[in-house]
Amino acid sequence: QQQVKQSPQSLIVQKGGISIINCAYENTAFDYFPWYQQFPGKGPALLIAIRPDVSEKKEGRFTISFNKSAKQFSLHIMDSQPGDSATYFCAASRGGTGNQFYFGTGTSLTVIP
Amino acid sequence: GAVVSQHPSWVICKSGTSVKIECRSLDFQATTMFWYRQFPKQSLMLMATSNEGSKATYEQGVEKDKFLINHASLTLSTLTVTSAHPEDSSFYICSARHPTSTDTQYFGPGTRLTVL
Repeated sequence: QQQVKQSPQSLIVQKGGISIINCAYENTAFDYFPWYQQFPGKGPALLIAIRPDVSEKKEGRFTISFNKSAKQFSLHIMDSQPGDSATYFCAASRGGTGNQFYFGTGTSLTVIP
Repeated sequence: GAVVSQHPSWVICKSGTSVKIECRSLDFQATTMFWYRQFPKQSLMLMATSNEGSKATYEQGVEKDKFLINHASLTLSTLTVTSAHPEDSSFYICSARHPTSTDTQYFGPGTRLTVL
């Protein structure tokens, strides 16, 4: 059973546009929601993360929106650039050492010039 | 900070041989590390949780006798693929929890294993 559902599977955005990737979860015990960026042949890199006590977190061009009641969270990439072309994974976990991450299925983003 | 390295970055071996992959936390001590496997264009699949000084916890369906994990120090965990076969060819990635931000996992660059 997929603990975290991610959409869309792939996304094509024009340079300067907004990229939006959505994730949904079922387990209300989850309290940590990170987003990772992965380039081909590389390991995932932490992009931004949020906890349920806030509804939005912004770091540069990257924003997480969190809707606790709907059990959904999304990543917004403003002013998308060709260098943002990568695969993005959302994840969820229960806080505490040793607790595993449940990853979404990934979104392949292509930003065209 | 929070740098995780893996060695080797890629390896090619013959069927039946064993391969060891190292995962190191370079600038912090990690009591917990994780090993993942990733197939092309797919998500990360957790194989096992590695705890320093104790036995690893394997996910359902992962053969612990085939994928040996050792976490002998706070900065090093190793994954040994024993008697490798072509179906073991994959991208193996480790991650480590930072001691001050225990919710966050920092990932290594991955190891591409090809078994001929």
